[in-house]
Amino acid sequence: DTGVSQNPRHKITKRGQNVTFRCDPISEHNRLYWYRQTLGQGPEFLTYFQNEAQLEKSRLLSDRFSAERPKGSFSTLEIQRTEQGDSAMYLCASSLNPVDTIYFGEGSWLTVV
Amino acid sequence: QKEVEQNSGPLSVPEGAIASLNCTYSDRGSQSFFWYRQYSGKSPELIMFIYSNGDKEDGRFTAQLNKASQYVSLLIRDSQPSDSATYLCAVNQGGGGSQGNLIFGKGTKLSVKP
Repeated sequence: DTGVSQNPRHKITKRGQNVTFRCDPISEHNRLYWYRQTLGQGPEFLTYFQNEAQLEKSRLLSDRFSAERPKGSFSTLEIQRTEQGDSAMYLCASSLNPVDTIYFGEGSWLTVV
Repeated sequence: QKEVEQNSGPLSVPEGAIASLNCTYSDRGSQSFFWYRQYSGKSPELIMFIYSNGDKEDGRFTAQLNKASQYVSLLIRDSQPSDSATYLCAVNQGGGGSQGNLIFGKGTKLSVKP
């Protein structure tokens, strides 16, 4: 399978713990995006990378959230000191270039208890 | 605050009918418009995008754009039970035809009854 891969697919964590999600984009895709989706809502843009450079961050992305794409390939999204409001599906997407179709991964579900 | 508005539904249509899904957006400067389909528990998948006023057809799907009215719609002809899903309207935030930096509506849930 050569689609966007996300791990772990499901994570249950206690409030206050840190969690990290990984995204492997489609090979050679330069752009990588992170979105968050809660039940009954559409995806909300969080941030995106062009190769290893993080070009934009949403105001939704609090200081507890940090994303990296160190070598321009895979990316990680870390959430520190998780809160119940962080419970959501975290979606990663990639595209070959800015105007190309973006492809979403299957998402990583986070439940904070 | 840029917004994309959709009727959450559910919209119920009989099999074989035309399903009409609507979306309005707030930013007159928006240039690119997208429709995604999302099955329950799955990630969104792109159905169509449209940049220019008028209609764009792809198989059973037709996207319609009216920039003056800030209105986008999706028509699904010959609806099938497999079309039952949530349909998300999205508008680009970035310049030009950038597809990745998107504002999504909440989605309209479509149910096609056999």
